[in-house]
Amino acid sequence: DGGITQSPKYLFRKEGQNVTLSCEQNLNHDAMYWYRQDPGQGLRLIYYSQIVNDFQKGDIAEGYSVSREKKESFPLTVTSAQKNPTAFYLCASSIGTNEKLFFGSGTQLSVL
Amino acid sequence: QKEVEQDPGPLSVPEGAIVSLNCTYSNSAFQYFMWYRQYSRKGPELLMYTYSSGNKEDGRFTAQVDKSSKYISLFIRDSQPSDSATYLCAMTNRGSTLGRLYFGRGTQLTVWP
Repeated sequence: DGGITQSPKYLFRKEGQNVTLSCEQNLNHDAMYWYRQDPGQGLRLIYYSQIVNDFQKGDIAEGYSVSREKKESFPLTVTSAQKNPTAFYLCASSIGTNEKLFFGSGTQLSVL
Repeated sequence: QKEVEQDPGPLSVPEGAIVSLNCTYSNSAFQYFMWYRQYSRKGPELLMYTYSSGNKEDGRFTAQVDKSSKYISLFIRDSQPSDSATYLCAMTNRGSTLGRLYFGRGTQLTVWP
């Protein structure tokens, strides 16, 4: 079945630690995105990528980094510079400039 | 002022009721309007997609866009307990950055039997 796979489902981060969230899609979509969801605040765009080896900052990129070495994969690293990382992280993809996003099932990140 | 405003609720209705969910927005350039449904701790799924003003119907769901008032609505007829979820409105202008959807905060809906 085609879709977007995010892992792990739950992740815990210690102080000063970098953690990486995985996102893989087999939909052959060109564009991929990372959103952060906090209770009562809706979705906020962290980073997005239109093609391999290219990505752009969204509204809240500080403290995060990404890579896009393969079309299928768009991992997100939450660095120690992100002081409030506890949130639900959603990866999405779309066909080219299509506005219809397909989302993964999300990763809940918490701080120990 | 936020780009998209949406009442977070919560909204609680009995089974069979007609549900009305709404969003307002400030950017008159928005042309594409979407409603996503999100079950607890799951990824949002696209429910309705409309372009510009007008109505679109899909089964029990009707999406309305009034660009003159910068107001969009989602109606759910004959609501079911399985409709209990958070509903997110989203919108964009194709001329804007790819994938730059602007989301509302989401409205939490509970349909009780």
